Amino acid sequence: SQQGEEDPQALSIQEGENATMNCSYKTSINNLQWYRQNSGRGLVHLILIRSNEREKHSGRLRVTLDTSKKSSSLLITASRAADTASYFCATDEMMGGGADGLTFGKGTHLIIQP
Amino acid sequence: DTGVSQNPRHKITKRGQNVTFRCDPISEHNRLYWYRQTLGQGPEFLTYFQNEAQLEKSRLLSDRFSAERPKGSFSTLEIQRTEQGDSAMYLCASSVNLAGGPADTQYFGPGTRLTVL
Repeated sequence: SQQGEEDPQALSIQEGENATMNCSYKTSINNLQWYRQNSGRGLVHLILIRSNEREKHSGRLRVTLDTSKKSSSLLITASRAADTASYFCATDEMMGGGADGLTFGKGTHLIIQP
Repeated sequence: DTGVSQNPRHKITKRGQNVTFRCDPISEHNRLYWYRQTLGQGPEFLTYFQNEAQLEKSRLLSDRFSAERPKGSFSTLEIQRTEQGDSAMYLCASSVNLAGGPADTQYFGPGTRLTVL
């Protein structure tokens, strides 16, 4: 079953604009990860944020985590055409202890218009 | 390339045939995971290994599916008597974790796309 729900399901913006994607989940987690997937390819890890962290940055990426609302957001600043991809959030559920792998949402499909 | 590798990248088979996929994780990664991804969906967990021990299997993993990691390095996933519903991308990931600890960053391979005719 899929725990995470990304919002929006699809997003189209102009190159140079910022893109924000949201993720909601249901159970208590150890950490939350964001991945990018280009069409038909494998997943590329972007960033991991632990349950005791509230914000994390990596280059043009900014991730926030609100465990009280069970939600996270991924902000991509100054978007580029190469950012066009599907973005997934994935949670490591606390009760699973890693034993159930990561639980992914359905993803947000981001299109950057040149 | 020291990333996760998977072979073959594509497999087309007829219904009822058996198929086997291979995953080579990043060296010294003790955990190895298998996921399945269908079109328009996120990956779904199938099973995972801590070294050579298979510690968890999803209910998605029917009796026709079997996975091994005999020496704690590469892993194989076999599907027997394939069905059209098995058509999907099969993804492998690896990570370094302390026993019983939470999942850490998982690094994914390029996947094997299976088409069952």
